Amino acid sequence: GENVEQHPSTLSVQEGDSAVIKCTYSDSASNYFPWYKQELGKRPQLIIDIRSNVGEKKDQRIAVTLNKTAKHFSLHITETQPEDSAVYFCAASGGSYIPTFGRGTSLIVHP
Amino acid sequence: KAGVTQTPRYLIKTRGQQVTLSCSPISGHRSVSWYQQTPGQGLQFLFEYFSETQRNKGNFPGRFSGRQFSNSRSEMNVSTLELGDSALYLCASSLGVGLGEQYFGPGTRLTVT
Repeated sequence: GENVEQHPSTLSVQEGDSAVIKCTYSDSASNYFPWYKQELGKRPQLIIDIRSNVGEKKDQRIAVTLNKTAKHFSLHITETQPEDSAVYFCAASGGSYIPTFGRGTSLIVHP
Repeated sequence: KAGVTQTPRYLIKTRGQQVTLSCSPISGHRSVSWYQQTPGQGLQFLFEYFSETQRNKGNFPGRFSGRQFSNSRSEMNVSTLELGDSALYLCASSLGVGLGEQYFGPGTRLTVT
């Protein structure tokens, strides 16, 4: 089955800095890669996603890049703000439609 | 448009008991997936229902089961509860199987004592 590795597990940055979270996947048939943000005590919320026919996607301060050859994708957050502090999960799904999630990255943005 | 709702939000059960959790998807969404979230294992896929049929299943024992009704609402049942079943159970809805974008409910926090 699919295996998704996510790094780092914890990321601490200063407000205004950029943050990058990386995920690798194992199943070359995976073709959909969403990112979720989960604030403490709240539900995961989809913040951005990318499909395998696209290499990069941006939405304001958030961007995701995908390298299908290397089987990795990354979340980039620019100009971080304290409200960006949360746990971020990546996921991969494909032919089986069963999504596999990374273990999560706890992002801490210090004011 | 109302979001995904789950009931109950919190539940305390004793080992050996069974429990039923409910999920109402976003109006128009026909696919409902269930996940177990624990600090140790992260988010793990349980199963997905579409048009009242289980379409995909994760690697969980048969004690975990579910069903979906004609209005797309879904229930998840766990029988013979174990301490290790303590977790946040999340459901997520999407337009259909394999269409990707999922919206999560607030979850049901199950504690097994």
